[in-house]
Amino acid sequence: DTEVTQTPKHLVMGMTNKKSLKCEQHMGHRAMYWYKQKAKKPPELMFVYSYEKLSINESVPSRFSPECPNSSLLNLHLHALQPEDSALYLCASSQETANTGELFFGEGSRLTVL
Amino acid sequence: DAKTTQPPSMDCAEGRAANLPCNHSTISGNEYVYWYRQIHSQGPQYIIHGLKNNETNEMASLIITEDRKSSTLILPHATLRDTAVYYCIVREGWRGANNLFFGTGTRLTVIP
Repeated sequence: DTEVTQTPKHLVMGMTNKKSLKCEQHMGHRAMYWYKQKAKKPPELMFVYSYEKLSINESVPSRFSPECPNSSLLNLHLHALQPEDSALYLCASSQETANTGELFFGEGSRLTVL
Repeated sequence: DAKTTQPPSMDCAEGRAANLPCNHSTISGNEYVYWYRQIHSQGPQYIIHGLKNNETNEMASLIITEDRKSSTLILPHATLRDTAVYYCIVREGWRGANNLFFGTGTRLTVIP
């Protein structure tokens, strides 16, 4: 199984809603990532988890709250978002100790904030 | 991580080789060159990586110049399914988790 599964594929939410994006992998990877991608732009790194601990937060606003409940799951909790947060949110995983730089990406969750 | 420069777009005829250049003139000795691609509406996909030697796998070949200041990704027989944005990324080989920072990439269009 070499897949990273993201749910939901599409999400529409209002600025006062609380929602979550979910990501799952069963490759035994111990590093997981959240990226944000706006239309026609490259992916931007948001968070990195290593062995279920947050190791990198790229100055992301607190309305985005990541969570790694176990080594296979990664969540991104969303609260009080703004319309400019509308984007494709990509999850990825990698072998934490591998020196290959190979990240496996999911197909993303497309978020629209109204 | 060193900065990379890629042409914003390229066309390639179907069945021909696609040669995608990348400039990384400030690359340091312990930095690797990685290539990813992103087909429309999908997540990025790893293609290949290298340090100083040329590399080949089932998807592509990576040619790195002797001074390591530039590289070329070669898709030997481009198909319509190779139409995508191709990202060249330079980073240290080991920095704990393999966080990657994407540049603007090259949009390759394969023409029938």
